[in-house]
Amino acid sequence: EAQVTQNPRYLITVTGKKLTVTCSQNMNHEYMSWYRQDPGLGLRQIYYSMNVEVTDKGDVPEGYKVSRKEKRNFPLILESPSPNQTSLYFCASSLLQTGPLGANVLTFGAGSRLTVL
Amino acid sequence: DQQVKQNSPSLSVQEGRISILNCDYTNSMFDYFLWYKKYPAEGPTFLISISSIKDKNEDGRFTVFLNKSAKHLSLHIVPSQPGDSAVYFCAASPNEKLTFGTGTRLTIIP
Repeated sequence: EAQVTQNPRYLITVTGKKLTVTCSQNMNHEYMSWYRQDPGLGLRQIYYSMNVEVTDKGDVPEGYKVSRKEKRNFPLILESPSPNQTSLYFCASSLLQTGPLGANVLTFGAGSRLTVL
Repeated sequence: DQQVKQNSPSLSVQEGRISILNCDYTNSMFDYFLWYKKYPAEGPTFLISISSIKDKNEDGRFTVFLNKSAKHLSLHIVPSQPGDSAVYFCAASPNEKLTFGTGTRLTIIP
């Protein structure tokens, strides 16, 4: 089954304790991205990657790191989590298409709910 | 700066009636628009899209309309069914990057 898998699905941690949220896709997609969903703010992009070893900042990258060493994996790293990073996180992937004849139709993971105390 | 806006946080519609969800955007470089649907405890799933070279796209009960001059798009669902109760996000793209709106929670009343 074509899917994006995130782990963990739920996590409660404390300020300053490094954590990694893993993301893996089995569709051979070039493009991968992380979003956070917060009430009243919708989905905001944190980081994205257009291929292996190619990553770039989204709209809210502060406090996060990513890496893309393999095509299928795109982990999100919080080096020193803070309470304002309490959120619902989504990883997504797609083929890389642009322009009026096509665009990224993202496949999303089920989400990771992170609470930082 | 919210480039994609969904001004109605919630909408309730009677089963069988038409649901109309609206979305406005400010960036004239956007040339592809998508709607995603999200159920609780799941990730968003793609619903329907439209490119800037069209003004309407239909897929079964779902129709998206694009008014480029007004920088406005809308999603029509007819007839509305209980399973349509979800949060709907519109998204816009000039390239590989999608910008999402804040979402509208649609509730279908049986």
